[in-house]
Amino acid sequence: QSALTQPRSVSGSPGQSVTISCSGTSSDIGGYNYVSWHQQHPDKVPKLMIYDVSKRPSGVPDRFSGSKSGNTASLTISGLQAEDEADYYCCSYAGSYTVVFGGGTRLTVL
Amino acid sequence: QLQLQESGPGLVKSSETLSLTCSVSGGSISRSSHYWGWIRQPPGKGLEWIGSIYYTGSTYNNPSLKSRVTISLDTSKNHFSLKLSSVTAADTAVYYCARDLTGGILGGGFGYWGQGTLVTVSS
Repeated sequence: QSALTQPRSVSGSPGQSVTISCSGTSSDIGGYNYVSWHQQHPDKVPKLMIYDVSKRPSGVPDRFSGSKSGNTASLTISGLQAEDEADYYCCSYAGSYTVVFGGGTRLTVL
Repeated sequence: QLQLQESGPGLVKSSETLSLTCSVSGGSISRSSHYWGWIRQPPGKGLEWIGSIYYTGSTYNNPSLKSRVTISLDTSKNHFSLKLSSVTAADTAVYYCARDLTGGILGGGFGYWGQGTLVTVSS
């Protein structure tokens, strides 16, 4: 079981859109529609932003959207705001009753 | 509102067993089809799934931790626990307990988290 692959960092200016990718295999992302994304501000508890690839929990702005194509999942944040600056972690069911996280992506709002 | 709170020693000696408890309020751990899990985060690093327990008591662990992990439910106290044996400095991390959001799906996203507790392994 290997960690999912995410870019170490991405950046964007306020108002722009950014996309964070999460690459896996056919044994995890590609095999199931159970991809989630968690946001973590420095020294804070992670927060679920997207689940089941593209669903948003109650209270999460619709600026956040998720998608999947093959073995790669993506999180897109549109209308970037300063408060979106945080670490983002993808997560997927990986078969055989296991779960795997990505290494995390630091989003910087310029 | 569901709330989770970790508790346990903040310092564990190398080769000993790390033991943590997650107390749950605002909901029963045994009356709905949810997965209760443990996730850790070494200082400055990413999240790692340790394992999860279904409300029936069935457990599922990260293969990389092999047989060092034991997760259990205590329905009388409405809490669940983690034991990690033979710890080393690499096990130093913030340990979080968490629950899935919608129920019935392992890996469906952790919608509820405890505040986390730092456990340091000393030599």
